[in-house]
Amino acid sequence: DIQMTQSPSTLSASIGDRVTITCRASQSISAWLAWYQQKPGKAPKLLIYKASILESGVPSRFSGSGSGTEFTLTIASLQPDDFATYYCQQYNSYSPPLFTFGPGTRVDIK
Amino acid sequence: VQLVESGGDLVQPGRSLRLSCTASGFRFGDYGMGWVRQAPGKGLEWVAFIETKAYRETTDYAASVRGRLSISRDDSRAIVYLEMNSLKSDDTAMYYCTRIRRQCGGVCSFYYFDYWGQGTLITVSS
Repeated sequence: DIQMTQSPSTLSASIGDRVTITCRASQSISAWLAWYQQKPGKAPKLLIYKASILESGVPSRFSGSGSGTEFTLTIASLQPDDFATYYCQQYNSYSPPLFTFGPGTRVDIK
Repeated sequence: VQLVESGGDLVQPGRSLRLSCTASGFRFGDYGMGWVRQAPGKGLEWVAFIETKAYRETTDYAASVRGRLSISRDDSRAIVYLEMNSLKSDDTAMYYCTRIRRQCGGVCSFYYFDYWGQGTLITVSS
């Protein structure tokens, strides 16, 4: 199984801060990684796919990078709407499970 | 794109339930579909996936539900189902219906969830 980890698990930040979340895979997943944002009581929303491609309609302050086993999600200047939990997700057709999510990183107000 | 789940309920352990997800706003038959669940206060867990007819409606399941859950689709009605049997307390969660997008070159190497429904809650308790 490919295991996904995220760090930190919780992050306290202020409006305007640059925020970086790291996602690590237990083995190489090339660039097959997506990032999601989830607000309390809401469904997750796709932010980034294939490690660095911004989904249509997502603000440009979000960016993704990485390949292999280490990936980052960066929010260039944190806005009030960005306080949420962020999940990474990998897809692996070679060994189960097919889809694995990271445990999540909660971004809250300092 | 809209995905609307239904069928969530309070059920006793060992009982069965069927969830439905009605899709609109896109060519349903062109997309794989999936279910992702989230236990109260916990993270996201993928549970089931079904491919398109072009890919023989291949299905796959998380190990935790294999043999108890069954995903199916009705392209004529744009509905995806999740049949759930032998429910356990660990199945208590919000269940989200998802549309799945593929990244394909010569082969399709990456699948991810591009649209999500609002979720339907299953509580398994006696």
